[in-house]
Amino acid sequence: GQNIDQPTEMTATEGAIVQINCTYQTSGFNGLFWYQQHAGEAPTFLSYNVLDGLEEKGRFSSFLSRSKGYSYLLLKELQMKDSASYLCAVNGGDMRFGAGTRLTVKP
Amino acid sequence: NAGVTQTPKFQVLKTGQSMTLQCAQDMNHEYMSWYRQDPGMGLRLIHYSVGAGITDQGEVPNGYNVSRSTTEDFPLRLLSAAPSQTSVYFCASSQTITPTDTQYFGPGTRLTVL
Repeated sequence: GQNIDQPTEMTATEGAIVQINCTYQTSGFNGLFWYQQHAGEAPTFLSYNVLDGLEEKGRFSSFLSRSKGYSYLLLKELQMKDSASYLCAVNGGDMRFGAGTRLTVKP
Repeated sequence: NAGVTQTPKFQVLKTGQSMTLQCAQDMNHEYMSWYRQDPGMGLRLIHYSVGAGITDQGEVPNGYNVSRSTTEDFPLRLLSAAPSQTSVYFCASSQTITPTDTQYFGPGTRLTVL
């Protein structure tokens, strides 16, 4: 079967660093994606990884290990506006999403 | 550019009623898709289209129909609404079906079936 797992909730402090993990088991692999979704809003694209390694985009970085079926999203210098759900998605022929990790940033 | 637009934003239906959720994009994207989002389950793909006149089923297609007569529009039809179809529905589009093309999501339609 196809499975994408990520923690349900995380809490972190403003200015800190947080790592959101995602593990997956899919029948195929064409890329792994991270989306941000604020409450009541649509998901917005953050990053994608096709090859193993780290992709950096400003305060956000995403890492992929295809052999381990593992990715993480790293958020640095956390801001209050980073409070949102973070969705891990894998394209293995079609797009499958994890249930999302709700991140709360506290002052 | 309006991006991806969806109407209505909110809808309440009675069991057995039918309705169409509208989705349009003005980016000349080939690929369009419909997802539903339920608490604790993430986004699930209902139907998708790789171009005008071409549609295919996703993970959870039962109870839904789609058509793609133009590049811009991709309506989702609920044939006979059921309480299990209470959900938030998102339409998305991307330039092509290439897996690494960024998907852009519409604002969503919140549907309640009584």
